[in-house]
Amino acid sequence: SQQGEEDPQALSIQEGENATMNCSYKTSINNLQWYRQNSGRGLVHLILIRSNEREKHSGRLRVTLDTSKKSSSLLITASRAADTASYFCAVNYGGSQGNLIFGKGTKLSVKP
Amino acid sequence: DTGVSQNPRHKITKRGQNVTFRCDPISEHNRLYWYRQTLGQGPEFLTYFQNEAQLEKSRLLSDRFSAERPKGSFSTLEIQRTEQGDSAMYLCASSSSGLAGPSHEQFFGPGTRLTVL
Repeated sequence: SQQGEEDPQALSIQEGENATMNCSYKTSINNLQWYRQNSGRGLVHLILIRSNEREKHSGRLRVTLDTSKKSSSLLITASRAADTASYFCAVNYGGSQGNLIFGKGTKLSVKP
Repeated sequence: DTGVSQNPRHKITKRGQNVTFRCDPISEHNRLYWYRQTLGQGPEFLTYFQNEAQLEKSRLLSDRFSAERPKGSFSTLEIQRTEQGDSAMYLCASSSSGLAGPSHEQFFGPGTRLTVL
């Protein structure tokens, strides 16, 4: 499978703590994206990092990409109860189609 | 609301029946994707349209599945002779490929949850 694989599968933290999720993939990518999904709902795009980038920030989110290790991490700082959701990494392997290959996700629970 | 919309949101059907789902993408987006998501899994790519042309189909898309995008606007996904294994959330997403090149960010709809009894 060429899909991204997230780690851990589930994560439970207290409000205010940081949450780190990791994603690994198998072959060279064009870009890697992180999405959030609240229970039973559609996905919301969080951040995209291109293969020639190493780190990107968006608000309380920080994403890193290590192409030599074929891995990425998503850090959510100062977590809130509203961050409770499943987080997916999705890889784009290039080409004109742009379809994404998703991992199984990390289920994050932030307790107030 | 100018986001991606999908109808119906829920569909319960009996095995062997045909079902059709509709997706209305963001109006200026020329790319449209269908994904399927089962419980505890990430979305799996099914098919992709650029304007009205269906350019890619996953091997997950058996001959019981057909998708169309007439006039390059809304899209429909039809499943014929449904099976219990077809029970899943069907997600639609759209993106743009303008003069500046493709935007790889995809905007997802809320999904259609299909239950096959």
